[in-house]
Amino acid sequence: GAGVSQTPSNKVTEKGKYVELRCDPISGHTALYWYRQSLGQGPEFLIYFQGTGAADDSGLPNDRFFAVRPEGSVSTLKIQRTERGDSAVYLCASSPGAGGEQYFGPGTRLTVT
Amino acid sequence: GEDVEQSLFLSVREGDSSVINCTYTDSSSTYLYWYKQEPGAGLQLLTYIFSNMDMKQDQRLTVLLNKKDKHLSLRIADTQTGDSAIYFCAGDQGGKLIFGQGTELSVKP
Repeated sequence: GAGVSQTPSNKVTEKGKYVELRCDPISGHTALYWYRQSLGQGPEFLIYFQGTGAADDSGLPNDRFFAVRPEGSVSTLKIQRTERGDSAVYLCASSPGAGGEQYFGPGTRLTVT
Repeated sequence: GEDVEQSLFLSVREGDSSVINCTYTDSSSTYLYWYKQEPGAGLQLLTYIFSNMDMKQDQRLTVLLNKKDKHLSLRIADTQTGDSAIYFCAGDQGGKLIFGQGTELSVKP
């Protein structure tokens, strides 16, 4: 079956621009997670949705970062006024329910120049 | 908050066993996970263990959990060159996963 998909796979943007990263979870999975992975580090939690609502957004670094999941399936991570320090791989994961094992997508590599 | 630590590198010969270690600070995780990441790829869930278990075996993989010492290990039997990758342990904290920094496993023929 289809796994978690993320688009685009790579995104290069200039400092100060706005970007959107998309995640399509495994069909039927109600929980969706966003993580950020910097080079040589483990993934760091950003935000987690249960259905349409954000259950925990404690990992979002500042108010430039925002995520939505309006219909409880696809999610979009939005970053305003990008900075060079935002460059990382953004990973999305989904699980059948809250607290279940998480299955990751291939990630979006964001480069801010 | 939770802190998860792993040694950074491990090198073994093909056919040997590999043991990757992980220590964590918060004992409230319900599950502890092992993920594998190959270069340029996403994270692949390898196995996980419920916090009230001491051991779980899954084919070539054996997970040991010592709750008293807050120590988790992953043993890979008969390590193959295809096992070369970065291995992450993670604990769940209210749904989100807290990851270690990863152990790079290098398997030499």
